[in-house]
Amino acid sequence: NAGVTQTPKFRVLKTGQSMTLLCAQDMNHEYMYWYRQDPGMGLRLIHYSVGEGTTAKGEVPDGYNVSRLKKQNFLLGLESAAPSQTSVYFCASRVRQGGDYGYTFGSGTRLTVV
Amino acid sequence: GNSVTQMEGPVTLSEEAFLTINCTYTATGYPSLFWYVQYPGEGLQLLLKATKADDKGSNKGFEATYRKETTSFHLEKGSVQVSDSAVYFCALSAPLEGGYNKLIFGAGTRLAVHP
Repeated sequence: NAGVTQTPKFRVLKTGQSMTLLCAQDMNHEYMYWYRQDPGMGLRLIHYSVGEGTTAKGEVPDGYNVSRLKKQNFLLGLESAAPSQTSVYFCASRVRQGGDYGYTFGSGTRLTVV
Repeated sequence: GNSVTQMEGPVTLSEEAFLTINCTYTATGYPSLFWYVQYPGEGLQLLLKATKADDKGSNKGFEATYRKETTSFHLEKGSVQVSDSAVYFCALSAPLEGGYNKLIFGAGTRLAVHP
């Protein structure tokens, strides 16, 4: 019962490099979310998905792309990393039913862009 | 719009002291309210929740009451332990397009409890 697994846990990128963060959940959850956490700002929603093959923009989507080709996986891509994208990234998932219950978070990916 | 405001930290307490972390919100309608806790190096875990006015959420000795009249959801614990040291986030559930929901978080309050 792994819950939500994020890989990698740490990464250092140079400005302009690209990378993909993987979020995998084994709970058959419909909804998945990518948040970024910055000091003094809490967590802000980047993108979300309400089902396989669907994605939508959150509050801070610029510079990121996402894909949900399989229900259990939600990928976050940075095509050309910038120092402003240095942050801790959290993935979350939840069931469709029950509305406001049952968000499960991964343990985060700490990304540094130099 | 929807927003959450938490008291700034860090909050430093001695073991067995009383804890209050203030949280107020702005929202349209009557959102569900949550407290999440983040232990060092880990993701967020749901601590407690309340879905309507006057509801009291409780878990692990922590409590918070949904106060519609003051738009508040303050977190309290009567006697903190060293193991409670963590970052605490207040959050509300806000609508997204298409009838879906997202969580809106406060900035977080770091709690440090010393023996």
